[in-house]
Amino acid sequence: NAGVTQTPKFQVLKTGQSMTLQCAQDMNHNSMYWYRQDPGMGLRLIYYSASEGTTDKGEVPNGYNVSRLNKREFSLRLESAAPSQTSVYFCASSAFYEQYFGPGTRLTVT
Amino acid sequence: AQSVTQLDSQVPVFEEAPVELRCNYSSSVSVYLFWYVQYPNQGLQLLLKYLSGSTLVKGINGFEAEFNKSQTSFHLRKPSVHISDTAEYFCAVSDGGYQKVTFGTGTKLQVIP
Repeated sequence: NAGVTQTPKFQVLKTGQSMTLQCAQDMNHNSMYWYRQDPGMGLRLIYYSASEGTTDKGEVPNGYNVSRLNKREFSLRLESAAPSQTSVYFCASSAFYEQYFGPGTRLTVT
Repeated sequence: AQSVTQLDSQVPVFEEAPVELRCNYSSSVSVYLFWYVQYPNQGLQLLLKYLSGSTLVKGINGFEAEFNKSQTSFHLRKPSVHISDTAEYFCAVSDGGYQKVTFGTGTKLQVIP
């Protein structure tokens, strides 16, 4: 039982490049989330998906898109990366109000 | 709208001393409250949660928290800390809608040998 997995673990992009962060969970949870974590700012919600086939914006959605591919997978896409998107990105799924987090992706945009 | 305030960004404490990490919240509806812990270079994991019932909630690793509705607080306590408790602690609140959770800015607990 792997829980929540994320790939890649680390990534360096140049300004303007695009990439997709992958997330998968094997706990059969309906809800999934993408957060970014920046020093002194806690975790901020980018997008969430309450169930397969639905996605909604969170607190900081600008510059990102998401896809809920199926119940297991929820991907985050940066179409044109900017230095302000340098951050650690966490995917999570939830059940009974408890959130289960992946190990994170550390992204640097130069 | 819901929000969480963690006033202390860093808390140094000697090993085996007690510690309290403070959390205050605001919400217009009934809330669910959580404490998560993040060890270096890892994701967050749940320490404890308050959904309803007893206002004193016990969690893993000897931590406990008390829900105080009148003070809108949910402070985390441990009577005797260990080096292994060095981590960042996040308070969080949810009004239950789509199970969305709002996190505080975190408190770094540094346990000094």
